Amino acid sequence: NAGVTQTPKFQVLKTGQSMTLQCAQDMNHEYMSWYRQDPGMGLRLIHYSVGAGITDQGEVPNGYNVSRSTTEDFPLRLLSAAPSQTSVYFCASSYWTAGSTDTQYFGPGTRLTVL
Amino acid sequence: KNQVEQSPQSLIILEGKNCTLQCNYTVSPFSNLRWYKQDTGRGPVSLTIMTFSENTKSNGRYTATLDADTKQSSLHITASQLSDSASYICVVRGGSSGTYKYIFGTGTRLKVLA
Repeated sequence: NAGVTQTPKFQVLKTGQSMTLQCAQDMNHEYMSWYRQDPGMGLRLIHYSVGAGITDQGEVPNGYNVSRSTTEDFPLRLLSAAPSQTSVYFCASSYWTAGSTDTQYFGPGTRLTVL
Repeated sequence: KNQVEQSPQSLIILEGKNCTLQCNYTVSPFSNLRWYKQDTGRGPVSLTIMTFSENTKSNGRYTATLDADTKQSSLHITASQLSDSASYICVVRGGSSGTYKYIFGTGTRLKVLA
């Protein structure tokens, strides 16, 4: 298994540009999520999905869109990049059941800089 | 408000020494508590997962404890190695059925010196 993969690893954007961060997993996990990690702060949930066709907002969803057309893929779209979106983005996946203790697997991250 | 607080923010120890990291949480309802290790430039990797009924869980030289009454957890690292240099993140899964969320602490940055 490749686990959770993310592309690209690094990206530099200009203010106002749009782009899509890719995330894929090959473990047949229902739950997938996007986090951003900023210095001095814990990981913050942007959007999540509990299955194909189902998405919901997390803690900091503004400026980001997601879709989940397949179990494997969960892309994150930045609509109009702003400097405040400079961050490291992590995708994660796991099984999703009540009281689940299944491990949450994280991708290697995408380091995004918006100028 | 659901929160996870970790202490200390950073810690420096000598190779071979033990250390203990702390985590306090106010998440309710509580489902389980996880400790992750995050090496610089990489994604977090799970070390332990504990439910309400578990007091302690080990993973090699890492031992996590949980006191659900006081809502405190600790991660003890025995005989530290240079490779233990990383951030350690406490995460609580909580919320009502159907609204489970992971709440992350800000992490403890550990540096092990030779």
